[in-house]
Amino acid sequence: KQEVTQIPAALSVPEGENLVLNCSFTDSAIYNLQWFRQDPGKGLTSLLLIQSSQREQTSGRLNASLDKSSGRSTLYIAASQPGDSATYLCAVRDNYGQNFVFGPGTRLSVLP
Amino acid sequence: GAVVSQHPSRVICKSGTSVKIECRSLDFQATTMFWYRQFPKQSLMLMATSNEGSKATYEQGVEKDKFLINHASLTLSTLTVTSAHPEDSSFYICSARVPGGDLIGELFFGEGSRLTVL
Repeated sequence: KQEVTQIPAALSVPEGENLVLNCSFTDSAIYNLQWFRQDPGKGLTSLLLIQSSQREQTSGRLNASLDKSSGRSTLYIAASQPGDSATYLCAVRDNYGQNFVFGPGTRLSVLP
Repeated sequence: GAVVSQHPSRVICKSGTSVKIECRSLDFQATTMFWYRQFPKQSLMLMATSNEGSKATYEQGVEKDKFLINHASLTLSTLTVTSAHPEDSSFYICSARVPGGDLIGELFFGEGSRLTVL
């Protein structure tokens, strides 16, 4: 059974810093991996989707990498801003089923 | 990206009543939608997978008769919480996966529905 963990659980940084969020999964036979952000009391917003054949994806200040063999993905946020404050979740879809398995999330606070 | 709309965003009901939540894919056809429940400061818990034109697949521990799911069209899935009790109070979120095109395989979420049962 696929299990997804995220480290750290919470992170607080000053504005302007570059930061890395980590996601680990136990079964490397994945179909794809997706990063989301969730603001309090809201749904999830898709940030980046990485297919199993890809090693990274970039969107603006965000860069997500994927290392299937080690069961890891990172989300890199450059020049962080207070508006980046949210909970970031990674989700993995494996080759066996339709649904995604979510990590517990990293709660990010960017201080002005 | 694709758009998934969920309604209502907030609902308050009395214990014993039933509540229906709608999930619509606005600009794509979704043969599969997912329903999640989220407790405060916790991640999403998959409740069921909704398949258009067939019965939903429920996760272990989720009561089928309690949480009725109907996926009558390629753009609409509904979750009905029957005979709601205070312990059903939660944040319910739906999602749909894009079946084709540039966004194939990507998961998009509705805005969520906050249910409070008095």
